[in-house]
Amino acid sequence: GAVVSQHPSRVICKSGTSVKIECRSLDFQATTMFWYRQFPKKSLMLMATSNEGSKATYEQGVEKDKFLINHASLTLSTLTVTSAHPEDSSFYICSAKATGTGTEAFFGQGTRLTVV
Amino acid sequence: GNSVTQMEGPVTLSEEAFLTINCTYTATGYPSLFWYVQYPGEGLQLLLKATKADDKGSNKGFEATYRKETTSFHLEKGSVQVSDSAVYFCALSDEGYGQNFVFGPGTRLSVLP
Repeated sequence: GAVVSQHPSRVICKSGTSVKIECRSLDFQATTMFWYRQFPKKSLMLMATSNEGSKATYEQGVEKDKFLINHASLTLSTLTVTSAHPEDSSFYICSAKATGTGTEAFFGQGTRLTVV
Repeated sequence: GNSVTQMEGPVTLSEEAFLTINCTYTATGYPSLFWYVQYPGEGLQLLLKATKADDKGSNKGFEATYRKETTSFHLEKGSVQVSDSAVYFCALSDEGYGQNFVFGPGTRLSVLP
């Protein structure tokens, strides 16, 4: 199947700093990418949907100025957590859909963010 | 809106036991249904999927059948192994509903030797 690579897999940062997480589709062009957040022992919560070359669509309750999403190319989307705080600590997962594959999306391996 | 309900567990079984994890859904359209598995510290991996009514998805001994009449997609495996210990998520994706996935809460499975 198609491969989505997410980097870094783990990151620890100081409170007040910004962290960038990358999501790459390695062997297909991803017209749409999704960013999810997973709280401990909880399901995935969709944060935003990004389409290449356009602004991301954020879900209700997600601060777009805090979670900056850029989808500048068909193989790369980035999520930047700005001015991170301990409550932003979580597991973030991206997924990508390729043109012509119907409803199947492929997931990255996730990024464990810890803000200290 | 669309939603997915599944038994939350945790589910603890002995090796070689039979596994069933129930999943039901609500959808405005005609969604595709998925089971994803998440091993400790890792991201989600697609386990199996079904795109239309009566389709049976299967992989690694796991099976699930798309039942439109009962809006269900229950996951089954005849004989679980210790290596099956993970969290299992039922999900749907509806092209007519923003294309994104809606996940169930996940079911943690622990298989004891």
